[in-house]
Amino acid sequence: EVQLVESGGDLVQAGRPLRLSCAASGFIFADYAMHWVRQVPGKGLEWVSGISWTSGTVAYADSVKGRFTISRDNAKNSLYLQMNSLRPEDTAFYYCTKDQSGRYFSTFEYWGQGTLVTVSS
Amino acid sequence: QSALTQPVSVSGSPGQSITISCTGTSSDIGNYNYVSWYQQHPGKAPKLMIFDVSNRPSGVSNRFSGSKSGNTASLTISGLQAEDEADYYCSSYTRSTTLVFGGGTKLTVL
Repeated sequence: EVQLVESGGDLVQAGRPLRLSCAASGFIFADYAMHWVRQVPGKGLEWVSGISWTSGTVAYADSVKGRFTISRDNAKNSLYLQMNSLRPEDTAFYYCTKDQSGRYFSTFEYWGQGTLVTVSS
Repeated sequence: QSALTQPVSVSGSPGQSITISCTGTSSDIGNYNYVSWYQQHPGKAPKLMIFDVSNRPSGVSNRFSGSKSGNTASLTISGLQAEDEADYYCSSYTRSTTLVFGGGTKLTVL
């Protein structure tokens, strides 16, 4: 059974950094691209960032480019999101998702339960 | 990275069919078949319902189907059931090597 468990969500002040982690199990983590997707409570979904299986391809939404960094450790079956210069508008649930593909970005096949990041001004 | 366009809400009676549209551009839906649909119930994580325009993951009811014409993708739910009431989101791969979601559609089963 595929499991994605996010951690690291917290209440932080604007301008401070925060690092999210996602522990993956139930599949060969090194074979698949991974993503972070966020959702402001009561609002829609927003793709944040994606990383291919070997970390050869990484991409970011314009809203976080230059502030957030996605990374992965295939030996630890873990995905990370380093968030710097946080803004109140970054407040959201952050979901870790598994792609169906390894090399390319295509589909959010499985989702974690999310971790809440709250940025205070 | 403009969001794909979906209707804010749709509704239907049990047993009826509904269709939710998702309009993009030639930079996303129009040129790629990586269009997916997700169902989200309140307080829950989204669930993949359709991938690659028209494919259903194992375990998803065949009442759900997807299609694409030009820059617009569609999700059709036939034989509406009360449990189908949820928010639905489309997504697409884009020319910029990113993924983009639609704004979401709230489905109400009357």
